[in-house]
Amino acid sequence: QVHLVESGGGVVLPGGSLRLSCAASGFIFKTYGMYWVRQAPGKGLEWVTVIRFDGNNKDYADSVKGRFTVSRDNSNNTLFLQMNSLRVEDTAVYYCARVRSGTSDGADIWGPGTMVIVSS
Amino acid sequence: DIQMTQSPSTLSASIGDRVTITCRASQSVSDWVAWYQQKPGTAPKLLIYKASTLQRGVSSRFSGSGSGTDFTLTISSLQSDDFGTYHCQQYRRNPTFGQGTKVEVK
Repeated sequence: QVHLVESGGGVVLPGGSLRLSCAASGFIFKTYGMYWVRQAPGKGLEWVTVIRFDGNNKDYADSVKGRFTVSRDNSNNTLFLQMNSLRVEDTAVYYCARVRSGTSDGADIWGPGTMVIVSS
Repeated sequence: DIQMTQSPSTLSASIGDRVTITCRASQSVSDWVAWYQQKPGTAPKLLIYKASTLQRGVSSRFSGSGSGTDFTLTISSLQSDDFGTYHCQQYRRNPTFGQGTKVEVK
């Protein structure tokens, strides 16, 4: 069974940091690009970042550029999102998702998401 | 960024209805469009990629069409499991999503 499971969400003060993890299983993780996508309460989906299968190419939405960093550990089938200088508007459910092909495609496998709340 | 505008925002329909959702891109995205279904409290599910290719395991009552800037998702005969929110996504450039279309019971 192909699975993605996020962890690391929680409540954090504005300006704080949080590191999300995404554990992959059931497929050859090191051969797939990966997205982080977020969804604020009651809102639509927002793409956050993409990382190439080998970790050598990354891109970010303007809203998080310079604050968030994506990385991966292919030996442990894990994706990460380091989030610094968090803002109230970063409050959302964060999903990791497998890119169907390459680094720009539909996302065919999604985790259940982890909630991040930025609040004072 | 490429903007994706979905319509309608909400759609009321009955079991057996033919349902059509549209998505318009702010510039040409060729056929680099995907469609997702999302139920409350759960992650999105990929239905269609490359504008018209059905994802493996997805019912054939779903179909997609379009190219350039105008795209359509059609449900040929709405079933009870089809109620939820539908999102379009372009991936011609950095991905962007439409605002979603909620399909509810009439």
